[in-house]
Amino acid sequence: GAGVSQSPSNKVTEKGKDVELRCDPISGHTALYWYRQSLGQGLEFLIYFQGNSAPDKSGLPSDRFSAERTGGSVSTLTIQRTQQEDSAVYLCASSLPAVLLQYFGPGTRLTVL
Amino acid sequence: SQQGEEDPQALSIQEGENATMNCSYKTSINNLQWYRQNSGRGLVHLILIRSNEREKHSGRLRVTLDTSKKSSSLLITASRAADTASYFCALLFTGANSKLTFGKGITLSVRP
Repeated sequence: GAGVSQSPSNKVTEKGKDVELRCDPISGHTALYWYRQSLGQGLEFLIYFQGNSAPDKSGLPSDRFSAERTGGSVSTLTIQRTQQEDSAVYLCASSLPAVLLQYFGPGTRLTVL
Repeated sequence: SQQGEEDPQALSIQEGENATMNCSYKTSINNLQWYRQNSGRGLVHLILIRSNEREKHSGRLRVTLDTSKKSSSLLITASRAADTASYFCALLFTGANSKLTFGKGITLSVRP
């Protein structure tokens, strides 16, 4: 079937605006992860959803960041009052339960002017 | 904080040569994975090695794990220009609840 999809692929916004980034995981994958990658850097973990369990939000950098996962499938990462340092590629990944290979989407490149 | 340290940061080789990339860590792991990233977008999983395994092969890839030295190596044999990419090691630390920790990556350039 289809892989992980993310939308939009690119987003340019002005400082102070809110943005929503969407992730559609692979069907049947109960685990979903959000990461942030700044230019030339590694992946920074943001948040992890596993089934109906409470999400692991330990990586969210500030209370301007939040994420939801509705119906155990699609997830939305919301960044409120964006700052220039939020500019990065936001990557989503999903995996099967108890299987630790992660399948990544193509990412959303966020640019905050 | 827990993180894999990759070495070297950048590697440039001629097509046909072998490429060796290393990853070291400090606390115990359940498994170690290698991923590849092209053009700064999505990552592709290459290979996973569990803490009780010492070596795994997949095509031209060979991964070793030495838990006593807390290090792993990824060897790409007979490299091709298409292998040009960034390579990341990702660690599942013991007790990390399925949360992988990624290193900063190694940039591999394979010259035709």
